[in-house]
Amino acid sequence: GQQVMQIPQYQHVQEGEDFTTYCNSSTTLSNIQWYKQRPGGHPVFLIQLVKSGEVKKQKRLTFQFGEAKKNSSLHITATQTTDVGTYFCAGNTGFQKLVFGTGTRLLVSP
Amino acid sequence: DADVTQTPRNRITKTGKRIMLECSQTKGHDRMYWYRQDPGLGLRLIYYSFDVKDINKGEISDGYSVSRQAQAKFSLSLESAIPNQTALYFCATSRADEQFFGPGTRLTVL
Repeated sequence: GQQVMQIPQYQHVQEGEDFTTYCNSSTTLSNIQWYKQRPGGHPVFLIQLVKSGEVKKQKRLTFQFGEAKKNSSLHITATQTTDVGTYFCAGNTGFQKLVFGTGTRLLVSP
Repeated sequence: DADVTQTPRNRITKTGKRIMLECSQTKGHDRMYWYRQDPGLGLRLIYYSFDVKDINKGEISDGYSVSRQAQAKFSLSLESAIPNQTALYFCATSRADEQFFGPGTRLTVL
């Protein structure tokens, strides 16, 4: 079946450093979503990318969707302690159900 | 989101017991989902429903069943719980693409 892998599994940074997580799908996606889960919380939708090569920004967060629509990345510039959590990508193959990536856990030290 | 509620929030049960997890939503969404979350594995889809008369298996439906009692209610049952079903369970709803998650149910099977 379809698989969505994320790397790294875990990253620990100092506040102010940048952070990137990468997402790779075994199949072409119709769109990709990103979610953030704070420790002890539930996943919360961040953004959806639909077009090949699309780039979207939300303040310090930059999201990219690959040209082949099989990979995506989330980059955080100048991390803050409020960025702590697990970031998941979720691929949609067009059948209206998501396949979630394995997640990247981010820890930010002050 | 407070619009998606799950009961119970925590449950400890014994091997072989039948258990039901309940999900209710006030968002008026037709689509509802059940996921389980295990460390390092992300969120995996158990069952999903696109309306009251529609039930579909996800990638890990074995050992689980569901009931869509109404548009607003979607329950997950473990007919005979086993220890490897110990996990965090999330219900989610959607109208189109973005999914809204409940607070989760932490289930422990001894």
